[in-house]
Amino acid sequence: EAQVTQNPRYLITVTGKKLTVTCSQNMNHEYMSWYRQDPGLGLRQIYYSMNVEVTDKGDVPEGYKVSRKEKRNFPLILESPSPNQTSLYFCASSLGQGLDEQYFGPGTRLTVT
Amino acid sequence: GEDVEQSLFLSVREGDSSVINCTYTDSSSTYLYWYKQEPGAGLQLLTYIFSNMDMKQDQRLTVLLNKKDKHLSLRIADTQTGDSAIYFCAADNAGGTSYGKLTFGQGTILTVHP
Repeated sequence: EAQVTQNPRYLITVTGKKLTVTCSQNMNHEYMSWYRQDPGLGLRQIYYSMNVEVTDKGDVPEGYKVSRKEKRNFPLILESPSPNQTSLYFCASSLGQGLDEQYFGPGTRLTVT
Repeated sequence: GEDVEQSLFLSVREGDSSVINCTYTDSSSTYLYWYKQEPGAGLQLLTYIFSNMDMKQDQRLTVLLNKKDKHLSLRIADTQTGDSAIYFCAADNAGGTSYGKLTFGQGTILTVHP
């Protein structure tokens, strides 16, 4: 089954404790992206990657890091989480060209206390 | 950069039509999308329209595009309680330098009353 998986689905952590949210897709997609969803703000792009070893900042990259060492995986790293990073995070992937349906993961709800 | 705006709430009665509106700023957007998010789930593509089209119909869904005004709408005919969800408008930047990037609106929460 074609899908995007994220882990963990729920995470409660404390300020400053490094964490990683994993994302994996099995569709051989070139393009992967991380979004955060906040009430009234919709989805805002954090980082995206157009291919292996190619990553770029989205609209709200501060406080986040990503890596793309393999095509299928695109982890999101919070080196020193802060309460303003409490949000719902979505990973998405797509072919990255033309008419381009983005496939979304189920989301990771992160709470930073 | 691109800016996409939507109204935040819409409430309708079951069986009525729903119209969700969206405006965008980048006239070079090639495709415009509507995504649906059900409670506790990720986003799923509902429909899309190519920028050289005015209208697209897909069963109960009708998408209207006014490219001059940069206005997009989604009409859901015979709205059902199962249509209650958040609907996101999104525009691509394929005409610009950020290939594959989508900019999303804030989302419209559609509530359907029996």
